[in-house]
Amino acid sequence: SAVISQKPSRDICQRGTSLTIQCQVDSQVTMMFWYRQQPGQSLTLIATANQGSEATYESGFVIDKFPISRPNLTFSTLTVSNMSPEDSSIYLCSVVTGELFFGEGSRLTVL
Amino acid sequence: QKEVEQNSGPLSVPEGAIASLNCTYSDRGSQSFFWYRQYSGKSPELIMSIYSNGDKEDGRFTAQLNKASQYVSLLIRDSQPSDSATYLCAVNQDAGGTSYGKLTFGQGTILTVHP
Repeated sequence: SAVISQKPSRDICQRGTSLTIQCQVDSQVTMMFWYRQQPGQSLTLIATANQGSEATYESGFVIDKFPISRPNLTFSTLTVSNMSPEDSSIYLCSVVTGELFFGEGSRLTVL
Repeated sequence: QKEVEQNSGPLSVPEGAIASLNCTYSDRGSQSFFWYRQYSGKSPELIMSIYSNGDKEDGRFTAQLNKASQYVSLLIRDSQPSDSATYLCAVNQDAGGTSYGKLTFGQGTILTVHP
């Protein structure tokens, strides 16, 4: 398995602002995956981030709301834009090293 | 829309008993199945994967897969209070593919093991 570090681990944000979550992996990986877990809910895939190309978004998620960067094979960022209380969730970065492993997550609360 | 269904529970079992967790999935073409454990306030951790029909054992955990019935289960033998967590069933969205990054998760079953 890989060691996946996320920053921030938690934050409280104001409505209408944007926040960028960073994900660092201790090994080079082709694809990184961003998931969301809303309160009391299961995990939903937001997008797949490939190095050198645009991210691929799942149904219901758009680049304007969740822009993603993937500048190299060990790092990615997810921005949650123009936040509303409905964006209060845990955002999880994940990678496949054999199977899918998750970072510790970033817990965002939007007031 | 591919779906993964689990009983949300809570499932309560006494210490030492067998806990049985069940999951059904809608996409008959799915090939890869996973069980994750999630403690409160923590991220999910992989505990079992299964790709072929039948049973797969790892310590106190046994995963069972029946593709004809579109059913996957997890048995936890000799349950311990430390097993108390939410157990998430996940199915690979990329049916027949080799990337396990795109998973569809069930809503999770809350397991409580009481002393």
